[in-house]
Amino acid sequence: KAGVTQTPRYLIKTRGQQVTLSCSPISGHRSVSWYQQTPGQGLQFLFEYFSETQRNKGNFPGRFSGRQFSNSRSEMNVSTLELGDSALYLCASSPSPIQHSYEQYFGPGTRLTVT
Amino acid sequence: AQSVTQLDSQVPVFEEAPVELRCNYSSSVSVYLFWYVQYPNQGLQLLLKYLSGSTLVESINGFEAEFNKSQTSFHLRKPSVHISDTAEYFCAVSLNSGNTPLVFGKGTRLSVIA
Repeated sequence: KAGVTQTPRYLIKTRGQQVTLSCSPISGHRSVSWYQQTPGQGLQFLFEYFSETQRNKGNFPGRFSGRQFSNSRSEMNVSTLELGDSALYLCASSPSPIQHSYEQYFGPGTRLTVT
Repeated sequence: AQSVTQLDSQVPVFEEAPVELRCNYSSSVSVYLFWYVQYPNQGLQLLLKYLSGSTLVESINGFEAEFNKSQTSFHLRKPSVHISDTAEYFCAVSLNSGNTPLVFGKGTRLSVIA
């Protein structure tokens, strides 16, 4: 089975621009979560989706948004980019919301650099 | 809300020496506990997890961790490390009531010296 895939792997954007990151979960997995990883703040939870519905949301400003499609693929969008948004964005999938508490499989991440 | 503290940000150790990476958590309810490993330019890989039952859990590559409820700890140990164990290790917790995201510690960078 293929693992979680994230595209693109690397991205460079300018302050004020917006960006969309994509995540394809493991086949059959329906829950997807996003995390932001920075050297200063570590790994922080952004949001979780199941059946195209956001189930949980972390403490991030409204510039960060996401969605999930009927095939469980997920995208996250960051508008009006700031330098502090430079980070590794990780996506994780699991078969169901219940299993999401104890069985998450992570993708390789998208490295976003904002200049 | 739950939280995780990894007491050491960096741990250097010689090859074939034992190592312990410390993790303490805070939660008022029962939790699931995890250790993840991240190699350079890669995502997170689950190393081992405690859900219930035996408090000592083991991974396939020689790591083990022990859940200590009274000390709210989940320290990771390996009796003899290899160069290939050089990576960043993250301790994480979630509530076992379900429907909660993982909360991670800040990570411990393990450097194995030849």
